[in-house]
Amino acid sequence: QSALTQPRSVSGSPGQSVTISCTGTDSDFGGRNFVSWYQQHPGKAPTLLIYDVRERSSGVPDRFSGSKSGNTASLTISGLQAEDEADYYCCSYAGRHYVFGSGTKVDVL
Amino acid sequence: EVQLLESGGALVQPGGSLRLSCAASGFTFSSYAMAWVRQAPGKGLEWVSTITGVGDKTYYADSVKGRFTISRDNSKNTLFLQMNSLRAEDTAFYYCAIPTSAFDYWGQGTLVTVSS
Repeated sequence: QSALTQPRSVSGSPGQSVTISCTGTDSDFGGRNFVSWYQQHPGKAPTLLIYDVRERSSGVPDRFSGSKSGNTASLTISGLQAEDEADYYCCSYAGRHYVFGSGTKVDVL
Repeated sequence: EVQLLESGGALVQPGGSLRLSCAASGFTFSSYAMAWVRQAPGKGLEWVSTITGVGDKTYYADSVKGRFTISRDNSKNTLFLQMNSLRAEDTAFYYCAIPTSAFDYWGQGTLVTVSS
C-alpha cells in the first residue's frame, strides 16, 4: 500500500493554470475510475474537490477539473487564485482499500 | 448539515491504548459506511480503516492491522477506533470521514501523540 506519486510542489501566478499529476500502478487504479482529489489549507481538515476522476463536488468552482489516462490522474486548476494556495492530495479507491497520493503544495506566486 | 466530531485524542506512551470516538449528525448514520483517515504532523494522508453501515465488515491498512479495531454504535450515531500497542509512528491527527468512492465529508480531527 505505497502512496501514489505526486510532485512535491507546483507553482503559478494568478490567472495561470497548473496541473498536478498522480501516478500509481495497475493495482492502485485497476481500470477503475474511482479517483478523487482533496484540498487542504494549513491547520484545516481536507475537503473533497473531485470524485470519480472528473466529477466536481458540490460548490467547487469549475476552475478545478480532473482527468485520467492509464495509471496517471491529473488535477488542473485554471485561473489560479490566491486562495488556491494549499496542499492537494489524490486518492484511489481500490475496492476495499484507499490509497492517497504523497501530496502537492501549490504556491501562488 | 452533516457534522462529524472526533474526540478522545491524547498523549499516550508507546505500547499504550486509546479509544477515539466520532459523533455523527445530519444524516442517516446507519446507512453509510464510515472510515478513519490519519495524518502525521507535516505529512500526507493515510487511510486507516473502514466499516460498513451495519458494522458487519471491516477493513484495515496493513500498518494498523491487528492493533486497531473499528466499530460503531448505530443507536448512538457514533464511530469508534480502538487503538492498542501504540507506536511513535501512530502519532497523527485522526479524522473520521464518510467514504463512498471518495471521502465526501470529514471531521476536524483529533490529535494522538505517542511518546514517552
